[in-house]
Amino acid sequence: EVQLVESGGGLVQPGGSLRLSCAASGFTFSSYWMTWVRQAPGKGLEWVANVKQEGSERQYVDSVKGRFTISRDNARSSLHLQMNALRAEDTAVYYCASGGGPVPHIWGQGTMVTVSS
Amino acid sequence: DIQMTQSPSSLSASVGDRVTITCRASQGISNYLAWFQQKPGKAPKSLIFGASTLQSGVPSKFSGSGSGTDFTLTISSLQPEDFATYYCQQYNSYPITFGQGTRLEIK
Repeated sequence: EVQLVESGGGLVQPGGSLRLSCAASGFTFSSYWMTWVRQAPGKGLEWVANVKQEGSERQYVDSVKGRFTISRDNARSSLHLQMNALRAEDTAVYYCASGGGPVPHIWGQGTMVTVSS
Repeated sequence: DIQMTQSPSSLSASVGDRVTITCRASQGISNYLAWFQQKPGKAPKSLIFGASTLQSGVPSKFSGSGSGTDFTLTISSLQPEDFATYYCQQYNSYPITFGQGTRLEIK
């Protein structure tokens, strides 16, 4: 079964850090682009970052540049999002997703990140 | 950044109806347009990429069209499971951007 499972979410204070992980199974992870998309409570979808198959090319939305880092470990079929200097506006459900290109096809169930004092 | 504007923002329809949702890009994006469906509390589901190509396993009741700046998603013969929020997404250039969503409700 093709599956993506996120973990690492939780409550963090403003200025703090979190590392999200996404474990992939049921497909050849190294062959697919990987993406993080977030959704603030009651709001729409926002693309956050993506990384190509080999991990050399990464793109970010402006609001997280310099604070978030997307990375992948193809040997372990895992995707990560290191989030530093967190702000209240980063509060959201974070989804990881995979696709043959930049369009996500398979989605995880999401992990909630709450930034609050 | 490319702005994606969906219309309408919400839509009421009945089971069996055919509905069309429009997505307009603030500049030309060729056919680099995708559509997603999301139900409350669930992850999004990918429906269409390349403006008109159905993802595997998506029923043919869903169809997409358009190129350049104007795109449509049409859903024929609505069933209860189709009532959800729909999002368009452009991937012509970074940052990738989504429309604000169209909530499809049962009349």
